[in-house]
Amino acid sequence: ETGVTQTPRHLVMGMTNKKSLKCEQHLGHNAMYWYKQSAKKPLELMFVYNFKEQTENNSVPSRFSPECPNSSHLFLHLHTLQPEDSALYLCASSQDFGSGSREQYFGPGTRLTVT
Amino acid sequence: GQNIDQPTEMTATEGAIVQINCTYQTSGFNGLFWYQQHAGEAPTFLSYNVLDGLEEKGRFSSFLSRSKGYSYLLLKELQMKDSASYLCAVKDSNYQLIWGAGTKLIIKP
Repeated sequence: ETGVTQTPRHLVMGMTNKKSLKCEQHLGHNAMYWYKQSAKKPLELMFVYNFKEQTENNSVPSRFSPECPNSSHLFLHLHTLQPEDSALYLCASSQDFGSGSREQYFGPGTRLTVT
Repeated sequence: GQNIDQPTEMTATEGAIVQINCTYQTSGFNGLFWYQQHAGEAPTFLSYNVLDGLEEKGRFSSFLSRSKGYSYLLLKELQMKDSASYLCAVKDSNYQLIWGAGTKLIIKP
């Protein structure tokens, strides 16, 4: 595997379910990100981890819970979601977070539908 | 508040040139990025500008004017595979990327 991978690619869940999204990067990067992409809206940054430490949480509801066990893996735990949470969830990584970092590399995303 | 504006959709002809504009108002500036996103796929990095001027990379060029809060992406010799959304993003004073909603580019034969 190369680059950034995400599983599952598609997920349908009810509002009472608990599920997790997984992201893995094979680039040796130290920063990882979760984004939400809704149709015709800008990418919304949800969480940032730099060297396994969470540096940003952009007022994301507590029904989204991130976990970063090491620099290569990132999870997003989901519980009691709402229909408006249906979107494409993108994971990204970069060399690090800050002025020295350049581009971010994205995974293919998980298309989430909440019923 | 912070804001990135770009056209929602543009149409161009195969073989032609198209310019996609982006204007921004952000708290601080640490660089501007352009990404390409094909339908159903991940965004991929195209260009990065942090100083004023033109950066050229093959058929794609990106221009930045920090005083005007303005950038454009220029695509030459358009090919059908260039049909995609083009995302403009600015790194703000907190080093977070602020994204535009993207410009959907449609290429016609």
